[in-house]
Amino acid sequence: GAVVSQHPSWVICKSGTSVKIECRSLDFQATTMFWYRQFPKKSLMLMATSNEGSKATYEQGVEKDKFLINHASLTLSTLTVTSAHPEDSSFYICSARDLSLGDNEQFFGPGTRLTVL
Amino acid sequence: GENVEQHPSTLSVQEGDSAVIKCTYSDSASNYFPWYKQELGKRPQLIIDIRSNVGEKKDQRIAVTLNKTAKHFSLHITETQPEDSAVYFCAATRRTAGNKLTFGGGTRVLVKP
Repeated sequence: GAVVSQHPSWVICKSGTSVKIECRSLDFQATTMFWYRQFPKKSLMLMATSNEGSKATYEQGVEKDKFLINHASLTLSTLTVTSAHPEDSSFYICSARDLSLGDNEQFFGPGTRLTVL
Repeated sequence: GENVEQHPSTLSVQEGDSAVIKCTYSDSASNYFPWYKQELGKRPQLIIDIRSNVGEKKDQRIAVTLNKTAKHFSLHITETQPEDSAVYFCAATRRTAGNKLTFGGGTRVLVKP
């Protein structure tokens, strides 16, 4: 149980285009999902907390108009990188909490590697 | 907010030896401390975690210790094997912070056969 999927697993796009990444909890309901980005050989940096049915909470320094987050259901959150630029190239990982477990553990998706040309 | 420091950044050990990674945290209210193993291009995988009401936890070759007073926790891997080679991250969080994880900088472990 507690499986999180992400789609796509990798994407290459041209500068200026928008890219949508999906994060799904496959076998549990997730009222809260988290979005991270990870640069090569670096740690995971939290970008935002996605709450089902409400606006996402962004970490300091993360542009909410550039990284649009939508959490429309208890099993799906999407991250849209708008007007992508080469510096947005990174590994984007989502995680989700299983509310029924009532504890802190987060389950991570497999990540999406974004390359902006 | 929380700040987590992790040392060392790289660790090379001979197969069969032990590996120890140390982390310190700044928020005394943090109460959950997971450790993750991440292989290149893959998702972080939880290998062990500890809560603030426990001082030590062990799972086969892996153990974690927590010193709340000093605000540090450590990962111990015994009898290391080549498949233990990966990047390891510590993290800290507390429920009242929305369970947001703050990660350490990571330790690249290389187990030499």
